[in-house]
Formats: sequence, structure tokens, C-alpha cells
Amino acid sequence: GENVEQHPSTLSVQEGDSAVIKCTYSDSASNYFPWYKQELGKGPQLIIDIRSNVGEKKDQRIAVTLNKTAKHFSLHITETQPEDSAVYFCAALQDFKTIFGAGTRLFVKA
Amino acid sequence: NAGVTQTPKFQVLKTGQSMTLQCAQDMNHNSMYWYRQDPGMGLRLIYYSASEGTTDKGEVPNGYNVSRLNKREFSLRLESAAPSQTSVYFCASSEIPGGFGSPLHFGNGTRLTVT
Repeated sequence: GENVEQHPSTLSVQEGDSAVIKCTYSDSASNYFPWYKQELGKGPQLIIDIRSNVGEKKDQRIAVTLNKTAKHFSLHITETQPEDSAVYFCAALQDFKTIFGAGTRLFVKA
Repeated sequence: NAGVTQTPKFQVLKTGQSMTLQCAQDMNHNSMYWYRQDPGMGLRLIYYSASEGTTDKGEVPNGYNVSRLNKREFSLRLESAAPSQTSVYFCASSEIPGGFGSPLHFGNGTRLTVT
């Protein structure tokens, strides 16, 4: 089955700096890679996703890159703001199952 | 538009008690899922229902049962609760089953404590 590893587990940055979160997956059949943001007391919410036929995708301050050969994908947040502070999860979809990484707690210091 | 609604929000059980967690979605989604979230372990899939009338095991199904009551509702049952089932439980739904890349829509969770 699929296994997703996520690093780092905690990330602290100054407001305005960039943040990068990295994930690796094990199953080459995985073809969809979403990223979710979870705020305290709420369920995760999709922030960006990428499919296996695309190498990079950008949405305003957020971008995701995918390297299928190396089986890794990354989330990049530029010009971070205090409201970006949250837990971020990467995930990989294989068959009907979305498998999540362990999460990264991001702190953005004002 | 409520999205995915879970009840209850909080529950405390004694070891051996049973309970059912309820989930309903109003987005006409085909697939529904139950996850549990534990510190440092992300979200782990318990059971899922790719479409109405079908259910399948996920990563951690032991100690749980599910029922896809209709297209809207998917319940999770703990027959004999154990302290290891203390967790936050999330229900999710998606428009298209599995492999076509449809994002999950989550409820706000049920925080369960088993003493």
C-alpha cells in the first residue's frame, strides 16, 4: 500500500519569508497529490492539488511541485503571513484511498 | 450549504461501551470516508464507501464497523470502545470515487475520549 512521509514536522518562519514542506510517496501508481490546511478545531481544507501529468502548479502565494521519477512533491508558500499559521498535510491518492503524511505545524512570526 | 456535518462534536465513553458517530453530506457526493487523527500520525483511513451500497476497509479498520445508510449518510460504529480508540474522528466526502483525483471535503470532527 501507499506510504507518505512528510518533513519537517514543525517549521517556524518570519512573516514575509518563504516556507517549504516536502513529501515523498512510495506507490508509483499514485496519481493525485492534494495539500490540506487544518486550523485549530476544524477539519482539513484543500488548498492546492496536482495531478501526476503536471510538474508544477501555482495559485497566488502557494505552489506545488511534483517529481514523479523521485516520487516526491513539495509545497511552497511565499510571503508568509500570520494567518498561514496552521497544520499542513500532504496526501497521495491510490485507488480509492487518500493516504496522508503526518503533518507539518507551521508558525509564522509577526 | 452545510457541507459535511458530524455529530456529536464531543463524546466520553467508558471502556466496553458502544456508540455510533453520524455523518451527513449535502453536496450529492458519491464517496464518503472515515478517518481518525492522532498526534504525530496524521489522518489514517478507517473505512470508506466509494459509492452508495459499497464499503471497504482502510488502513486501520479493526474495532470499527460502518454503514452507508444512503447517498447522504455514512455512520461509524464502535461496538466495544477501548482506550486506544481515543482520537479525533473525521468524516469526509468526495464527488468522484478514488482514482480520478477528487478532493476530500471534511467535517469538523468528533473528539472521542475512552476512559
